[in-house]
Amino acid sequence: QSALTQPASVSGSPGQSITISCTGTSSYVGGYHYVSWYQQHPGKAPKLMIYDVSKRPSGVSNRFSGSKSGNTASLTISGLQAEDEADYYCSSYTSGSTYVFGPGTKVTVL
Amino acid sequence: QVQLVESGGGVVQPGRPLRLSCAASGFTLSSYAMYWVRQAPGKGLEWVAFISFDGSNKYYADSVKGRFTISRDNSKNTVYLQMNSLRSEDTAVYYCARIVGTTRADHWGQGTLVSVSS
Repeated sequence: QSALTQPASVSGSPGQSITISCTGTSSYVGGYHYVSWYQQHPGKAPKLMIYDVSKRPSGVSNRFSGSKSGNTASLTISGLQAEDEADYYCSSYTSGSTYVFGPGTKVTVL
Repeated sequence: QVQLVESGGGVVQPGRPLRLSCAASGFTLSSYAMYWVRQAPGKGLEWVAFISFDGSNKYYADSVKGRFTISRDNSKNTVYLQMNSLRSEDTAVYYCARIVGTTRADHWGQGTLVSVSS
């Protein structure tokens, strides 16, 4: 059982915005500004979408944004597109160079 | 371009060892920490092990501590994961990934499947 909690699934229509939450504790998420989000399409390797809560790597669409409030981090996808249909995982870095992943959220584009 | 290629996966009996390799190219491996993450069939991602850029620091998930060993040979541009006393619950696709800024993995390999079965 993961130390982070994510909704199992989130869905939206093309063009809409959706938000995926990632809830932890002060040891994970709350105490550090080191939350990352990864996108994974079936049979593919994960791809970094957001790091350090709200920073976007070069090449990632600005439709993806991240935020955090207390022990909950969030990933928002704006202008939802068919290609956004995938699994999304939050991850938190903690002291001692250990990492934890959330259970993942399946995003469905209706 | 950055490339990570895992190898060494396969079918192995419970209790037997297996060593995975992660060959890096397109960047200077000795400048980066690396980690291994696994994904059991139909399940989510699980962090397994971390190694610092020079191999001086290593950290493990509780589920593999004492059984798995992460190492690296920067002269060969390769990171390894030695897995001993394998269990059925270790069955998964194993990914290696490059760590930047300590906090995130910016490049991942395609993964190698390990199946522990008698």
